Amino acid sequence: AQSVTQPDIHITVSEGASLELRCNYSYGATPYLFWYVQSPGQGLQLLLKYFSGDTLVQGIKGFEAEFKRSQSSFNLRKPSVHWSDAAEYFCAVDGTYKYIFGTGTRLKVLA
Amino acid sequence: GAVVSQHPSWVICKSGTSVKIECRSLDFQATTMFWYRQFPKQSLMLMATSNEGSKATYEQGVEKDKFLINHASLTLSTLTVTSAHPEDSSFYICSARPYREANTEAFFGQGTRLTVV
Repeated sequence: AQSVTQPDIHITVSEGASLELRCNYSYGATPYLFWYVQSPGQGLQLLLKYFSGDTLVQGIKGFEAEFKRSQSSFNLRKPSVHWSDAAEYFCAVDGTYKYIFGTGTRLKVLA
Repeated sequence: GAVVSQHPSWVICKSGTSVKIECRSLDFQATTMFWYRQFPKQSLMLMATSNEGSKATYEQGVEKDKFLINHASLTLSTLTVTSAHPEDSSFYICSARPYREANTEAFFGQGTRLTVV
């Protein structure tokens, strides 16, 4: 069965520190993978996506993610976190034409 | 990027009434749209897949008689919550994928906050 796992429910980092949010997926073929960010009470904003090609994907707001087929992972990274990055982050896989979302990681940023 | 508009952004209704939420793809056509439900501090759960001109496909455990979906055109899908009760209060999000475009993601509406009192 297709699934997405985000092992970290909550992550707290200091402003300026680096960030890595983990995402593991289960899918039979090469998936389309996404990271979204959601602020409280708001909709989803696409940070980046992977369809094929270069496994290191650059996104908006200074985020990047790396697709590692051998580890079935698509971890999100940012070298220096800003206070405005505090939000909920969702990893998603586009499987058989419908998205499956991970449970989300809530990021807290300390000043 | 493509835009999906969802209306209303928030709605408060009385228990027992029905509420309709619209999802429109503004600059592309979509034969398929998706409806999600999100409880506070939880992830998005797919409720149903809306198919233009045909019946929606509901996920297991979703009451099709309570959550009526209509996809009458290539740019509009509606979700009607019938006989709403407080437990139906939630954040509802729709998404749509451009028709006949490969390697493109689905685009999400901004969501509708439903509160049933």
